[in-house]
Amino acid sequence: GQSLEQPSEVTAVEGAIVQINCTYQTSGFYGLSWYQQHDGGAPTFLSYNGLDGLEETGRFSSFLSRSDSYGYLLLQELQMKDSASYFCAVSPGTDDKIIFGKGTRLHILP
Amino acid sequence: DGGITQSPKYLFRKEGQNVTLSCEQNLNHDAMYWYRQDPGQGLRLIYYSQIVNDFQKGDIAEGYSVSREKKESFPLTVTSAQKNPTAFYLCASSIRGREAFFGQGTRLTVV
Repeated sequence: GQSLEQPSEVTAVEGAIVQINCTYQTSGFYGLSWYQQHDGGAPTFLSYNGLDGLEETGRFSSFLSRSDSYGYLLLQELQMKDSASYFCAVSPGTDDKIIFGKGTRLHILP
Repeated sequence: DGGITQSPKYLFRKEGQNVTLSCEQNLNHDAMYWYRQDPGQGLRLIYYSQIVNDFQKGDIAEGYSVSREKKESFPLTVTSAQKNPTAFYLCASSIRGREAFFGQGTRLTVV
């Protein structure tokens, strides 16, 4: 089977840094993506890692280790508007399929 | 502006009825997807399509059907065989499975 594991909830303080981990077990692997979803809204794309290493986009960074089947999303200088659910997603093969984890609810305290 | 349009935003269905959810994109993407999201849950893949006139079942395809007659359109029919259809349905498209763009979703409620 194919599965992605990420923590169900994470709590952090405004202005701090938080890391959301994702481990995956899939039959194949082409890349790991991250998405943000606010309550009642649609998911929006944050980042994609096809190769090992760190990708940085403003306050958000994403890391991938293919040998460990592991990645994380790093959010810096947390703002209250970052309170949302964050999903990791894997493209397991050449057929453009995308499967999602169950999501991590990020709570930010003032 | 390019994007994905889902309609309607809210849909009510009587038990035993089939309903069709619309999804249209003008991003020129080959791949399109349908996901189901239940409260507090992740996105579960119903169907996906790599190209016109071809589609594949996802993890929860039972009780659903799709068609892909045009590149821009990927409608989802929720049939009466789907025993628990009340959920938030999300349509998406992507370039080669890398970055998915989502519509605003359709909330389906069985009454």
